[in-house]
Amino acid sequence: DAGVIQSPRHEVTEMGQEVTLRCKPISGHDYLFWYRQTMMRGLELLIYFNNNVPIDDSGMPEDRFSAKMPNASFSTLKIQPSEPRDSAVYFCASSLRGAYNEQFFGPGTRLTVL
Amino acid sequence: AQSVTQLGSHVSVSEGALVLLRCNYSSSVPPYLFWYVQYPNQGLQLLLKYTSAATLVKGINGFEAEFKKSETSFHLTKPSAHMSDAAEYFCAVSDHGNNRLAFGKGNQVVVIP
Repeated sequence: DAGVIQSPRHEVTEMGQEVTLRCKPISGHDYLFWYRQTMMRGLELLIYFNNNVPIDDSGMPEDRFSAKMPNASFSTLKIQPSEPRDSAVYFCASSLRGAYNEQFFGPGTRLTVL
Repeated sequence: AQSVTQLGSHVSVSEGALVLLRCNYSSSVPPYLFWYVQYPNQGLQLLLKYTSAATLVKGINGFEAEFKKSETSFHLTKPSAHMSDAAEYFCAVSDHGNNRLAFGKGNQVVVIP
């Protein structure tokens, strides 16, 4: 298996632009997690899905952030409009049967908002 | 909510010396505990996990951790540090009931030759 795939690996955009981050989880995994990592705040859970359904989005910072999972093999995290404070590394992770089992992380997307 | 505390954001260790990273958790129920490692420009990888089967857990790359309920701790150790151990290490606790992991702030380990 190729592992969790994220694209793009790097994104540089200007304030106010829309940004879409993509994730393909490991085949057969039923949980998908989106995290954000910054020096100041560490690793934060933004949202997670179970069987394509959003379960907990309490970590989404504000309405500018949205996430979808239209099918078991694809998820997106969208920021519209983007702001410089959104600059971070965004990770997608997937697991089988929830947090009691290992979460497999993708390589991350490094987002820079100018 | 469950949480973990990792003290000392940066840890320096000499090559060949003991690696000790401390993790204390707060949980009202028996927890599932994890240690993850993050190498530069990569995602996190599982080192080991505790799921109540045995208090001493062995992981990859020679790491192990001991669950001590009386101390609410799950410290990570490796007897002899190698240059390849330079990375960031995260302790995490499962949040029973909603399938979340709560991560600590992480320890950046530097190995001195």
